[in-house]
Amino acid sequence: DAKTTQPTSMDCAEGRAANLPCNHSTISGNEYVYWYRQIHSQGPQYIIHGLKNNETNEMASLIITEDRKSSTLILPHATLRDTAVYYCIQDYGGATNKLIFGTGTLLAVQP
Amino acid sequence: DVKVTQSSRYLVKRTGEKVFLECVQDMDHENMFWYRQDPGLGLRLIYFSYDVKMKEKGDIPEGYSVSREKKERFSLILESASTNQTSMYLCASSSTARDGSYEQYFGPGTRLTVT
Repeated sequence: DAKTTQPTSMDCAEGRAANLPCNHSTISGNEYVYWYRQIHSQGPQYIIHGLKNNETNEMASLIITEDRKSSTLILPHATLRDTAVYYCIQDYGGATNKLIFGTGTLLAVQP
Repeated sequence: DVKVTQSSRYLVKRTGEKVFLECVQDMDHENMFWYRQDPGLGLRLIYFSYDVKMKEKGDIPEGYSVSREKKERFSLILESASTNQTSMYLCASSSTARDGSYEQYFGPGTRLTVT
């Protein structure tokens, strides 16, 4: 079973920042937080991951709370093409790289 | 550009047929995965492989088998297709980074309909 909880859906206005929350209260010290997204009719796409520090890449920023029990994915300037299901996953990695996907958050970017 | 390809985008098969879904990755990844995705259930792991000829069951292996004879290719086999195997099938591959993290790369998916 997925170990994270996310809202089922969210709306965001085009051009505004989209802030997607995730609770991972059972996360252990060596588990990463990963974010993926899935645009309709496509395979999931990796966005970003973090362990303790905040992270930023060309797609998004990841803010992890100090106690690591929750995080927020930030899309700084959402576009219509960012409409997708966003998955937050906690995992320790290891040799087999297994991910357990929950049902994610459907982000609808509105024009 | 990294790539995971799947043999078919859409497939229609009859009940009882043997079905092969092929997946190829060009990134020299050790790990490969097969998921199925159904409305309301999210992605569920069927099987994965962490090396050539090695395989492990995922969460829902019943009715499926897999084959990995070469590093780049991972096949999902439905020995006798049934209507409850109508689904979207997604293949992925990954490799572990030095810090222990990893990124799974997904193929475009195969939508299988069993009639």
